[in-house]
Amino acid sequence: GENVEQHPSTLSVQEGDSAVIKCTYSDSASNYFPWYKQELGKRPQLIIDIRSNVGEKKDQRIAVTLNKTAKHFSLHITETQPEDSAVYFCAAVEYNFNKFYFGSGTKLNVKP
Amino acid sequence: GAVVSQHPSRVICKSGTSVKIECRSLDFQATTMFWYRQFPKQSLMLMATSNEGSKATYEQGVEKDKFLINHASLTLSTLTVTSAHPEDSSFYICSARGTSGGSYEQYFGPGTRLTVT
Repeated sequence: GENVEQHPSTLSVQEGDSAVIKCTYSDSASNYFPWYKQELGKRPQLIIDIRSNVGEKKDQRIAVTLNKTAKHFSLHITETQPEDSAVYFCAAVEYNFNKFYFGSGTKLNVKP
Repeated sequence: GAVVSQHPSRVICKSGTSVKIECRSLDFQATTMFWYRQFPKQSLMLMATSNEGSKATYEQGVEKDKFLINHASLTLSTLTVTSAHPEDSSFYICSARGTSGGSYEQYFGPGTRLTVT
């Protein structure tokens, strides 16, 4: 099965700085990589995703990059704000689309 | 956007009893629903994949006789925790995939906090 590793487990940045979270995956058949933001006690919310035929995708302050050869993908948040504070999860999706394998999560703390 | 609801949001039950959690897709049909378990400060662990009209597929290490899953319609899947024990206390989240061709996205329910006393 797929194995997704995520780093770092916690990340503290000053408001306005950038934050980068990295994930690696093991199954070359995975071809969809979403990122979720989860606030305490709430459901995960999709914030951005990328498919394997694309190397980079950007949505305002959030961007995701994918290196298929190296099997890693990263989330980049620029100009961080206190409301960005949450736990972020990456996931890799198997080719048959039936299973999402989640990383262990990164707790991001943006200090005002 | 697609909405998934879960009921109840919180439940407290006594050890040895059974608890049923419902997951509904409110504005779309979901051919596949997923059940996850999340411990405090940990990631989502996939428990099982539920396909409408067929038996659920359980992940390794998940007891299918303890966690009964039924996906009776395209908008409803249920998870029943049978003979609950304190170690079953956790946050259970469901998600649903749409029926649109090529759709990857999963829509998550708000979760159910189960406490077994």
